Amino acid sequence: AQTVTQSQPEMSVQEAETVTLSCTYDTSENNYYLFWYKQPPSRQMILVIRQEAYKQQNATENRFSVNFQKAAKSFSLKISDSQLGDTAMYFCAFCSYGQNFVFGPGTRLSVLP
Amino acid sequence: GAGVSQSPRYKVAKRGQDVALRCDPISGHVSLFWYQQALGQGPEFLTYFQNEAQLDKSGLPSDRFFAERPEGSVSTLKIQRTQQEDSAVYLCASSLELAGGYEQYFGPGTRLTVT
Repeated sequence: AQTVTQSQPEMSVQEAETVTLSCTYDTSENNYYLFWYKQPPSRQMILVIRQEAYKQQNATENRFSVNFQKAAKSFSLKISDSQLGDTAMYFCAFCSYGQNFVFGPGTRLSVLP
Repeated sequence: GAGVSQSPRYKVAKRGQDVALRCDPISGHVSLFWYQQALGQGPEFLTYFQNEAQLDKSGLPSDRFFAERPEGSVSTLKIQRTQQEDSAVYLCASSLELAGGYEQYFGPGTRLTVT
């Protein structure tokens, strides 16, 4: 069974600084997808970024980028120029083709003014 | 367009009561998922529908949990004889389809408290 690990339960960063959230996963699959979802306080979960495992190029979305290391089964999220609105729980998720999502336990990120 | 909606947003039930949680997915989305999220944890998969067919219910914690999607659109998660350990946020998500790693769009969740 696939598992997703997020080793940082809580992190904080100063506004405008850069922060990296870690995620590792375990799978024997070769084709799969990785996601970072954001869940702001009392608000619904939204997609931050998506990576297809067969693509070597790291995905980027504005201030958000990933460092995808397939051999190491690592998928970290970098947030540049952190903003107060980035304060949220961040969940790393994995799914292989035709299978359900498996979520990590989450990292609570606080952006400090 | 409208996103995924869930009702009620909050539900308090006495232990032993039955509850029904509703999910309205995004129109046209084939796949619908239910998750259980305990406080401070990640969502845990409960069950999955493709149209009206329930293709995977391996995550349902007991036979007190039942889900349906009779017309391939709205879904209801029913919990019979609620127990305190059922207290959690129940999330519904929909996507265009399961295969291909499509993004799941989440609803706001229903927070169930069993007293």
